[in-house]
Amino acid sequence: KAGVTQTPRYLIKTRGQQVTLSCSPISGHRSVSWYQQTPGQGLQFLFEYFSETQRNKGNFPGRFSGRQFSNSRSEMNVSTLELGDSALYLCASSPRDRAGNEKLFFGSGTQLSVL
Amino acid sequence: QQPVQSPQAVILREGEDAVINCSSSKALYSVHWYRQKHGEAPVFLMILLKGGEQKGHEKISASFNEKKQQSSLYLTASQLSYSGTYFCGTVNQGGKLIFGQGTELSVKP
Repeated sequence: KAGVTQTPRYLIKTRGQQVTLSCSPISGHRSVSWYQQTPGQGLQFLFEYFSETQRNKGNFPGRFSGRQFSNSRSEMNVSTLELGDSALYLCASSPRDRAGNEKLFFGSGTQLSVL
Repeated sequence: QQPVQSPQAVILREGEDAVINCSSSKALYSVHWYRQKHGEAPVFLMILLKGGEQKGHEKISASFNEKKQQSSLYLTASQLSYSGTYFCGTVNQGGKLIFGQGTELSVKP
């Protein structure tokens, strides 16, 4: 079974631009979560989707948005990029509606650099 | 609210033991532990669902004290392969899985 696939692997953007990151979960997994990872901050929760519905959202500004499609693939979008948005963005999937009692399978992430 | 992990970093010699602690100011429903090696994705270690439950895998085990809102990860007889950053994740009533800032573990020969 293929793992969680994130594309692209690396991105370089300039301030003010927008970016879309893609995540394909493990086949059969219906829940997708997104995390931002920066040195010293650990993994900051962005959002969680299940069956195309946003179940939870973290404390990020409205510039960060996401969605999930009927095939469980998910995208996240960041508009009006700022230097502080430079980070590794990780996507994770789990088989069912995660109520905190299922393990997550993480992708390798998209490394975003904002210049 | 982000759980607090301690210590932030630890250096061990092969064969030594280590404990990583994770505490939260909010009531917890479960605690997750993950390990991330440099340049790789985080990998699941274990979930603890009940208060006082202790789970283990080989020489890595963990406990969860629901009353104290704390969890501890125990690594015994550490191996070089244990090196990496360990994250605890806590789940409260809202169902969000929130991770701590991580504990960097280095095992030296």
